[in-house]
Amino acid sequence: GQQLNQSPQSMFIQEGEDVSMNCTSSSIFNTWLWYKQDPGEGPVLLIALYKAGELTSNGRLTAQFGITRKDSFLNISASIPSDVGIYFCAGESRGTGNQFYFGTGTSLTVIP
Amino acid sequence: DSGVTQTPKHLITATGQRVTLRCSPRSGDLSVYWYQQSLDQGLQFLIQYYNGEERAKGNILERFSAQQFPDLHSELNLSSLELGDSALYFCASSVAPLFSPLHFGNGTRLTVT
Repeated sequence: GQQLNQSPQSMFIQEGEDVSMNCTSSSIFNTWLWYKQDPGEGPVLLIALYKAGELTSNGRLTAQFGITRKDSFLNISASIPSDVGIYFCAGESRGTGNQFYFGTGTSLTVIP
Repeated sequence: DSGVTQTPKHLITATGQRVTLRCSPRSGDLSVYWYQQSLDQGLQFLIQYYNGEERAKGNILERFSAQQFPDLHSELNLSSLELGDSALYFCASSVAPLFSPLHFGNGTRLTVT
């Protein structure tokens, strides 16, 4: 199945630093979602984006739906230790039965 | 708590066996999705149901099947299990089949020995 290109694959940052990650696709998506997954648990929805160009915040998190509809960005400001985890993007395509395709994940480590 | 309930949390079984994973969606959600996550892998879409009907199919093996019941809970059946089927299986639900974010359960960890 289709997979989104998510980068970077992993990040090691100091507490307090800002973080940026992105997802790109060769296909147009109608919806972009960002999730965080802790070990042994299910992904938790962080932000949902429904319109090209849309910029949405959730606390220290900000995500954008790219104008081309083929990419999305997630920024985390002033990182804290509990931000540690794996972040996934997901794009909804209506081309083949409105499936959600997931990125390969960005593993974030925050060093206190 | 996402409101999506998956049982059992863990399953250990032998090759060749058959297992059933169960999912109860969030109250009010009509759509159920199943995903497989192998070690250090992303989430692979298996199948989606909406209000009891199969809506979309992903990389689901022929040995696997699923259904959504009238009370909207869903079951994923895995048969003739192989070592490579060991993975986390997630269920997610959404209100509608389109433009509606997915809410995930905590998964069932399947180990095939």
